[in-house]
Amino acid sequence: KAGVTQTPRYLIKTRGQQVTLSCSPISGHRSVSWYQQTPGQGLQFLFEYFSETQRNKGNFPGRFSGRQFSNSRSEMNVSTLELGDSALYLCASSLEVGRRGTQYFGPGTRLTVL
Amino acid sequence: KQEVTQIPAALSVPEGENLVLNCSFTDSAIYNLQWFRQDPGKGLTSLLLIQSSQREQTSGRLNASLDKSSGRSTLYIAASQPGDSATYLCAVFSGGYNKLIFGAGTRLAVHP
Repeated sequence: KAGVTQTPRYLIKTRGQQVTLSCSPISGHRSVSWYQQTPGQGLQFLFEYFSETQRNKGNFPGRFSGRQFSNSRSEMNVSTLELGDSALYLCASSLEVGRRGTQYFGPGTRLTVL
Repeated sequence: KQEVTQIPAALSVPEGENLVLNCSFTDSAIYNLQWFRQDPGKGLTSLLLIQSSQREQTSGRLNASLDKSSGRSTLYIAASQPGDSATYLCAVFSGGYNKLIFGAGTRLAVHP
């Protein structure tokens, strides 16, 4: 069974631009969560989607948004990029809404904001 | 507020040693605890998941224990190998916050 896939793997953007990241979960998984990883803050939860509905949201500004499609694929959008948005963005999928199941992570998208 | 702490932050051992990585959390109201491995610049690989009602889980040379009442978990790695070199992260799924909360990780180096 194929794992979680994320595209693109690397992105370079400039301040003020916007970016969209994509995540395809493991087949059959309906929950997708997004995390930001930085050297200073570690791994921080962004949001979780299940059955096309946002179930939970972390403490990030409104510039960070997401959505989930009927095939469980998810996209994350960051508008008006700031230098501090440079990070590894990871998505994870699980069979159920996150509390019970193992979370399987993708390889991440490395975003660099110049 | 749920906080997850991992000790030590870094560890360097010779090949063949048995080692223990520690994880502690401040709020015992968790659904489960998960151990991950992360290689440099890569995503996370799930190693073990322990539900709150369980005491331990084993997979190959790895054994993870959970003492929910004291807010502690340990990851035991037997007969370490250079291929075990990576950062090990623990994360708790915390009921009050309904999300995974991660520790900062232990960076492990196993040298031949």
